[in-house]
Amino acid sequence: GDSVTQMEGPVTLSEEAFLTINCTYTATGYPSLFWYVQYPGEGLQLLLKATKADDKGSNKGFEATYRKETTSFHLEKGSVQVSDSAVYFCALSNYGQNFVFGPGTRLSVLP
Amino acid sequence: DTAVSQTPKYLVTQMGNDKSIKCEQNLGHDTMYWYKQDSKKFLKIMFSYNNKELIINETVPNRFSPKSPDKAHLNLHINSLELGDSAVYFCASSQVTSGRADTQYFGPGTRLTVL
Repeated sequence: GDSVTQMEGPVTLSEEAFLTINCTYTATGYPSLFWYVQYPGEGLQLLLKATKADDKGSNKGFEATYRKETTSFHLEKGSVQVSDSAVYFCALSNYGQNFVFGPGTRLSVLP
Repeated sequence: DTAVSQTPKYLVTQMGNDKSIKCEQNLGHDTMYWYKQDSKKFLKIMFSYNNKELIINETVPNRFSPKSPDKAHLNLHINSLELGDSAVYFCASSQVTSGRADTQYFGPGTRLTVL
């Protein structure tokens, strides 16, 4: 079946550092790919998404590019802030209504 | 307006009790889900309903029973609660287009503690 793998962390960075959270997937066909963010005590919310190969999703300074050749959707941000501290989930949606989430990566940004 | 709402936000109860969690979405989506999130933040899908019909029923104890009175509501009833049921339960909804679910919208979660 479909699956998502991401670095589990925790990832600890200083403010203004560059962030990369790796995500790779296994799926048949052409799934949609998503990054969700969960702030402490809250539900998951969509950060960005891409629905086809080479699409780039972006939001709040975060970016991820759908790479079909490497089956990856790595999340990047050029300069993180303390307010970015959260858990980040990579996910995919494929035909047959499966929505698969990765295990989540906890990010802590220190001032 | 809250897109996906859940009640209650917190639920503390004794082992063996029966409890329910309610979920409502006002997005007009046709599919709703229940997830369980453990203390390590791992998210596990439990159930999925499309237009009031059960689609996904992952391996969960039959003490858990979802009920969807209409496509805007999906409730979760849990019988004979056990310590291992303690977790955060999330409701979500999405629209399915051409057989594939679009963005899922999550509720704020219900933190269940079984004593």
